[in-house]
Amino acid sequence: AQTVTQSQPEMSVQEAETVTLSCTYDTSESNYYLFWYKQPPSRQMILVIRQEAYKQQNATENRFSVNFQKAAKSFSLKISDSQLGDTAMYFCAFMKPGDDKIIFGKGTRLHILP
Amino acid sequence: GAGVSQTPSNKVTEKGKYVELRCDPISGHTALYWYRQSLGQGPEFLIYFQGTGAADDSGLPNDRFFAVRPEGSVSTLKIQRTERGDSAVYLCASSEGTSGGGAKNIQYFGAGTRLSVL
Repeated sequence: AQTVTQSQPEMSVQEAETVTLSCTYDTSESNYYLFWYKQPPSRQMILVIRQEAYKQQNATENRFSVNFQKAAKSFSLKISDSQLGDTAMYFCAFMKPGDDKIIFGKGTRLHILP
Repeated sequence: GAGVSQTPSNKVTEKGKYVELRCDPISGHTALYWYRQSLGQGPEFLIYFQGTGAADDSGLPNDRFFAVRPEGSVSTLKIQRTERGDSAVYLCASSEGTSGGGAKNIQYFGAGTRLSVL
């Protein structure tokens, strides 16, 4: 069974700083998808970034980028120039193609301080 | 609609009562998913519909939980004889439904229903 582990329950950084959220996962699959979702107080899960395991190039979406280390089964999220609106819970997640269900980690609560 | 809509936003009920939670997916999305998020945890998969049929209900915790999607659009999650342990946020998501994990299978979530069982 696949598992996703987020070892940082809570983090705080100053506005405009760069922050990295850690995630490791366990799977025996060779092809899969990894995600970072953001959940603000409104509760709606918002997709931040998506990585396909067969692609070696790290995904990037504006200020958000990932460091995908397939051999180490690591998938960290870097937020550059952090903004107050980045304050939220961040969930790392895994999906196996054809399985359709997403497996989530327990989340990291991120506070951006003014 | 523009996004996934879930009603009610909050539901308070008494132990032993029956509740229904509604999900209205993005128009045209054939796949619909239900997840349960307990306090301090990530969402956990409950059930997945492709069209009208439940393609995978392996996450339903017991037979008190049931979900339907009779016309392939709106879905209702039904919980019988509610227990205090059922208290959680119930999230619904939808996708275009193409299997294999391509961009069309990205899941878009609603804001959830917070269920409180007293």
